[in-house]
Amino acid sequence: GDSVTQMEGPVTLSEEAFLTINCTYTATGYPSLFWYVQYPGEGLQLLLKATKADDKGSNKGFEATYRKETTSFHLEKGSVQVSDSAVYFCALMEYGNKLVFGAGTILRVKS
Amino acid sequence: EAGVTQFPSHSVIEKGQTVTLRCDPISGHDNLYWYRRVMGKEIKFLLHFVKESKQDESGMPNNRFLAERTGGTYSTLKVQPAELEDSGVYFCASSQLTTDGEQFFGPGTRLTVL
Repeated sequence: GDSVTQMEGPVTLSEEAFLTINCTYTATGYPSLFWYVQYPGEGLQLLLKATKADDKGSNKGFEATYRKETTSFHLEKGSVQVSDSAVYFCALMEYGNKLVFGAGTILRVKS
Repeated sequence: EAGVTQFPSHSVIEKGQTVTLRCDPISGHDNLYWYRRVMGKEIKFLLHFVKESKQDESGMPNNRFLAERTGGTYSTLKVQPAELEDSGVYFCASSQLTTDGEQFFGPGTRLTVL
């Protein structure tokens, strides 16, 4: 079946550092891809998405590009803030609107 | 507009007991999903309701889990009897009846089985 692999954490960065969280997927066809974020004590929130190859999703300074040739959807941000500390989940949507998630990456940003 | 709510936020029970989790979706959302995250691993799909009907329950681990959505509004997920491996965070999500509709998640219920 379909699967998502993302880099293990935790990732610890200083404020204003560059962030990359790697995500690769295995799927039949070309699913929509997502990044969700979970802030402490809250539910998952959709951060960004891309629905077809070469699409770039972006939100709150975060970006990810749907790369069909490398089956990847890496999350990047040019300058992280302490408030970005959270757990980040990469996901794809299977037929029937079922989401398949990666294991999540904890991001800790120090001031 | 209220988001997806889940109750309780935490539950600690003994092995063999019964627990019922509740999810209230966003008003007007016909799709309702249950997911589970065990031991810091992947969040895994459990099942999907469209209104009151089970559209896909392929992720339900075994027959100790029973999900209902009476009247197509709130949903309950009952675990009976609970086992140690059922511990984890149970998330509910809802979405509108459109293709690729964004799923809005609740805060989750953390279940601990001792």
